[in-house]
Amino acid sequence: EIVLTQSPGTLSLSPGERATLSCRATQSVSTTYLAWYQQKPGQAPRLLIYGASSRATGIPDRFSGSGSGTDFTLTISRLEPEDFAVYYCQQYGNSPGTFGQGTKLEIK
Amino acid sequence: QLQLQESGPGLVKPSETLSLTCTVSGGSVTSSGYYWGWIRQPPGEGLESIGTIYYSGGTYYNPSLKSRVTISVDTSKNQFSLKVTSVAAADTAVYYCARYPQWISQPSWGQGTLVTVSS
Repeated sequence: EIVLTQSPGTLSLSPGERATLSCRATQSVSTTYLAWYQQKPGQAPRLLIYGASSRATGIPDRFSGSGSGTDFTLTISRLEPEDFAVYYCQQYGNSPGTFGQGTKLEIK
Repeated sequence: QLQLQESGPGLVKPSETLSLTCTVSGGSVTSSGYYWGWIRQPPGEGLESIGTIYYSGGTYYNPSLKSRVTISVDTSKNQFSLKVTSVAAADTAVYYCARYPQWISQPSWGQGTLVTVSS
């Protein structure tokens, strides 16, 4: 089973700042099957990034994904108030798939 | 446009079997190049993959749940299903169904359904 470890656990930033979230895998993950999600309280996860770097439909271009192999990054270039939420990475190339434990992005 | 909708009882008694169905519209469970899965999220916790199924019939389960989980496809109804036996309070969660593409394309999820295990 591929274990995904996200860091940091909590990230405290202010609107307008840049956020960098990390997802590290215990073995190589195909970029085809690496996704990032945003989740707000009481809501279903929202797909942000798929294929490690492709933005999902309707996602603003301040969100970007990068990485390969075992190290992946989600970057939010300039934080908007609505971006404060929990973020998860997921690999689904090695079935049944696994998720990271999440990074909580909170307002500083 | 693809839509996935979870359905099933919202309350299940301890030791009984949890059964959920995911109805697929705007696509077919027999489409090549996709596979289907279930995910859950206990209240206040993170996301957990339960298992996946390929149209060819291959299934893959989370090792921690494998002994209690069955995922199957009903092509006549364009649905796939989840069964979890011998449930306990720890199985209380929002359950999501999903479709995963086998190439670089967007995964799709249902909105989720809350299942509470309680007597």
